[in-house]
Amino acid sequence: LAKTTQPISMDSYEGQEVNITCSHNNIATNDYITWYQQFPSQGPRFIIQGYKTKVTNEVASLFIPADRKSSTLSLPRVSLSDTAVYYCLVVSLTGGGNKLTFGTGTQLKVEL
Amino acid sequence: NAGVTQTPKFQVLKTGQSMTLQCAQDMNHNSMYWYRQDPGMGLRLIYYSASEGTTDKGEVPNGYNVSRLNKREFSLRLESAAPSQTSVYFCASSEGGVQNTEAFFGQGTRLTVV
Repeated sequence: LAKTTQPISMDSYEGQEVNITCSHNNIATNDYITWYQQFPSQGPRFIIQGYKTKVTNEVASLFIPADRKSSTLSLPRVSLSDTAVYYCLVVSLTGGGNKLTFGTGTQLKVEL
Repeated sequence: NAGVTQTPKFQVLKTGQSMTLQCAQDMNHNSMYWYRQDPGMGLRLIYYSASEGTTDKGEVPNGYNVSRLNKREFSLRLESAAPSQTSVYFCASSEGGVQNTEAFFGQGTRLTVV
């Protein structure tokens, strides 16, 4: 399983763009990169996934360079409600299913 | 559409007692998971089931057993609870397949072992 490394915490202000970078140096060829968000006292919620280049959905963008050894989650114009823990996962197909292993995550704090 | 339902939501056990945490999903998902989350920490995978009839150990399986009863249900059993198992337990399910890494989580079970 590819180990992920991401900052423990980040601070931002409302309206700013936030970029959270995750390192996964030993990612395998068939692994996917996925990001989750977790609010206190709730289970994580899927944000976005990607394999390479750029993926965008209604809430975030995911940038993956050609070597795939890192990825960056971009949150445009954050608000107070984006204060949460963000997890980067590298997902390997194991035994027919996905072994979703979470790391320690990045605590994002958004202030006025 | 309830998604992933966990029971109970709260539980207090005495050391040495046993209990089973129940999880059911109504999304016809193939894969199901059990995690624990200690205060201020990330989620740690206890067991997962890639499909009905299969289970596999995660990062922290010691002290736990699981049963994939059918496609819908995946239970987690603590045979002899210990204070170190005080945690919030989350069940999750996903359709499976590398190109679909979206999992859906239950609301969690807050377990205290005294």
